[in-house]
Amino acid sequence: KAGVTQTPRYLIKTRGQQVTLSCSPISGHRSVSWYQQTPGQGLQFLFEYFSETQRNKGNFPGRFSGRQFSNSRSEMNVSTLELGDSALYLCASSLGSIAGVSDTQYFGPGTRLTVL
Amino acid sequence: AQKITQTQPGMFVQEKEAVTLDCTYDTSDQSYGLFWYKQPSSGEMIFLIYQGSYDEQNATEGRYSLNFQKARKSANLVISASQLGDSAMYFCAMREADRGSTLGRLYFGRGTQLTVWP
Repeated sequence: KAGVTQTPRYLIKTRGQQVTLSCSPISGHRSVSWYQQTPGQGLQFLFEYFSETQRNKGNFPGRFSGRQFSNSRSEMNVSTLELGDSALYLCASSLGSIAGVSDTQYFGPGTRLTVL
Repeated sequence: AQKITQTQPGMFVQEKEAVTLDCTYDTSDQSYGLFWYKQPSSGEMIFLIYQGSYDEQNATEGRYSLNFQKARKSANLVISASQLGDSAMYFCAMREADRGSTLGRLYFGRGTQLTVWP
């Protein structure tokens, strides 16, 4: 079974631009979560989607948004990029709510975003 | 308050020796899950092992085992017979019972950088 894929793997943008990151979950997984990882803040939860609906959102400004498509693929968008948005963005997929607390999240390789 | 605390920023172990990575957690839920992930320098988070709060036995997966002490709220990862390829950052994470505000969220610790030397 193919793992979680994320595109692109690397991205360089300048301040003020916007960026869209893509995530394809493991086949059969209906939940996709996004995390931001920085040396200073560690791993921070951005949001989670299940069946095309955002179920949960972390404490990030409205510049961070996402969506999920009917095939469970997900995209996240960051508008008006700031230097502090430079980070590794990780996407994780899981079966969804039916598995409860044991619902294991499997991560993709991440997209490394650099904002200049 | 931190949900997950990993007090060891770095650990060193010789090849073939066992090592324990510490993790304590904070939750008022009765139902929760604890996870360990490995992150090599390439960046991908690799799932290692899971322990449920109601599981009576400690979880094991190959060379990985989880020393679960519920009363102490600790979930330490034990790696037996360390290999050079085990050098990586290790994260402890927790998932609480599905409630509106926490649904789908994993809480991560700051990680422990493990270095295995020959």
